[in-house]
Amino acid sequence: ETGVTQSPTHLIKTRGQQVTLRCSSQSGHNTVSWYQQALGQGPQFIFQYYREEENGRGNFPPRFSGLQFPNYSSELNVNALELDDSALYLCASSGPGPQATNEKLFFGSGTQLSVL
Amino acid sequence: SQQGEEDPQALSIQEGENATMNCSYKTSINNLQWYRQNSGRGLVHLILIRSNEREKHSGRLRVTLDTSKKSSSLLITASRAADTASYFCATDEETSGSRLTFGEGTQLTVNP
Repeated sequence: ETGVTQSPTHLIKTRGQQVTLRCSSQSGHNTVSWYQQALGQGPQFIFQYYREEENGRGNFPPRFSGLQFPNYSSELNVNALELDDSALYLCASSGPGPQATNEKLFFGSGTQLSVL
Repeated sequence: SQQGEEDPQALSIQEGENATMNCSYKTSINNLQWYRQNSGRGLVHLILIRSNEREKHSGRLRVTLDTSKKSSSLLITASRAADTASYFCATDEETSGSRLTFGEGTQLTVNP
């Protein structure tokens, strides 16, 4: 167990809809990163939040947005869903401290999103 | 974009044999990490090797890093059926700031 939980585990949406995925980080970890993993591929970095501020973003359009809250929870929001958004979405917590943000990530089990 | 390229894409061995997976990357790094993933679930951190280290051990795992060749290898000794999973290398690039860049992964199957 990594101490990182994600909800829901599975989700089916229709193209054009909006979705919110949730993550609860390990206690004491003030950094959360979100990754998208397509079937048979490695995870792709979406963005990272450190102390509730965005701390880096990957090559994803603005319709992918996030929030981090003081209680170690965070959200990934995706607007105007497209078929290619179908993937496993993983959140990972790390820390404490900016020096430790990329040294060992603790991943949740992911949310499998299917866009029809 | 994927920084790491892993080789082989798939590996099938018998229990008790050793498994070696390789990872190549393109830019200067702070560290390189290996993660394991069971059946599309979350990834689990296995081991980290820093750019100034050449070899590291953890239990049945041995990782090497050659920064001149921009490559790393993960050796799992005396493999078990429970080692069956996908293995990913991930690089913390010097200029990336916040991200880890993952490879495409090696699917390891250990047959009992």
